[in-house]
Amino acid sequence: GQQLNQSPQSMFIQEGEDVSMNCTSSSIFNTWLWYKQDPGEGPVLLIALYKAGELTSNGRLTAQFGITRKDSFLNISASIPSDVGIYFCAAQGGSEKLVFGKGMKLTVNP
Amino acid sequence: DTAVSQTPKYLVTQMGNDKSIKCEQNLGHDTMYWYKQDSKKFLKIMFSYNNKELIINETVPNRFSPKSPDKAHLNLHINSLELGDSAVYFCASSQVYVPISPLHFGNGTRLTVT
Repeated sequence: GQQLNQSPQSMFIQEGEDVSMNCTSSSIFNTWLWYKQDPGEGPVLLIALYKAGELTSNGRLTAQFGITRKDSFLNISASIPSDVGIYFCAAQGGSEKLVFGKGMKLTVNP
Repeated sequence: DTAVSQTPKYLVTQMGNDKSIKCEQNLGHDTMYWYKQDSKKFLKIMFSYNNKELIINETVPNRFSPKSPDKAHLNLHINSLELGDSAVYFCASSQVYVPISPLHFGNGTRLTVT
């Protein structure tokens, strides 16, 4: 089945640092989504990507849909304490179900 | 106004019991989902309904039975609960299934089976 390899699994950074994370797969996808989950809550959409090569920003967040359609990355610039949480990539190809990566736990030290 | 609301937030019960989790969305979306998140935070789809019709039914024990009385509601009934059913269950909805539009998640129901 389709699988997403999300890395790294966790990161510990200092406030103000930039963060990069990515998801890769051997499968081709048509849609990439990035979510953030805060403790005790459901995942919340950060960025949606629908076109290969697309680069989209949302405030301090930037995400790209890989040109091969098999990967995507998410960058967070100038991290702040409220960026802590678990970040998930998710992707869908054709009529397949949405597949989630295993998540990246981010810790930001003030 | 909560877009996707599920109840209860916490559910503690004993093995062998039957329980239900309710979900409602007020976004006017056509598609609703149930996801299970295990202790390692891995999100796995269980079911999906589009306009009250089942479109995804993953390899889930038949003790789990979803019910969609209308497109704004998708409830999950679990029979004969087992220890391994302990997890956080998330309801979600999306406007379109293919190509998928972003999912809106509820805040989860933490199920603990003792």
